[in-house]
Amino acid sequence: AQSVTQLDSQVPVFEEAPVELRCNYSSSVSVYLFWYVQYPNQGLQLLLKYLSGSTLVESINGFEAEFNKSQTSFHLRKPSVHISDTAEYFCAAQTYDKVIFGPGTSLSVIP
Amino acid sequence: DAGVIQSPRHEVTEMGQEVTLRCKPISGHNSLFWYRQTMMRGLELLIYFNNNVPIDDSGMPEDRFSAKMPNASFSTLKIQPSEPRDSAVYFCASRVAGLSYEQYFGPGTRLTVT
Repeated sequence: AQSVTQLDSQVPVFEEAPVELRCNYSSSVSVYLFWYVQYPNQGLQLLLKYLSGSTLVESINGFEAEFNKSQTSFHLRKPSVHISDTAEYFCAAQTYDKVIFGPGTSLSVIP
Repeated sequence: DAGVIQSPRHEVTEMGQEVTLRCKPISGHNSLFWYRQTMMRGLELLIYFNNNVPIDDSGMPEDRFSAKMPNASFSTLKIQPSEPRDSAVYFCASRVAGLSYEQYFGPGTRLTVT
């Protein structure tokens, strides 16, 4: 059975500070990994995804995530956060036809 | 493309009434998902379809909930009768079936049952 764990339900961080949002997964089959972001009163939208190849993937707005197979992790990082990064972040593991989402981490950027 | 379209965006109804939520997936997508999001339970998968066929409805809370996908461009989620605990935001998402394809979410329907 698949599962996705996000250990931190809430992460407050000061503006321009670095942040890491943790994600661990378990699966008996091959999965692809995704991070989605949900801004207030909106649906989820894709932030970045790992399919294969380089274990470090980047988004257009400065986030990056590293796939670590031995630790079954896919942590999300940003070296310097902005107020506009305040949102809910969901890690997801995907098989051919099913997606398992983690419980989400609420990132609050403090001015 | 207009993205995933959901209607209505907001629905307020009284306990016991029937509620129907609608979703139009992105053209060309052959997988469709219905989710429910609440503060207490987070994001829950209710049901998903591949090629208009329901594949997994194990997340549907009870018999009061039903979902249909009569064709590739339309799906409904119905609650009959509705209860206050059904109050939540309901999201529809679609994608191309396959490992590498991400989901595209609609804006959601905020349901309030009084």
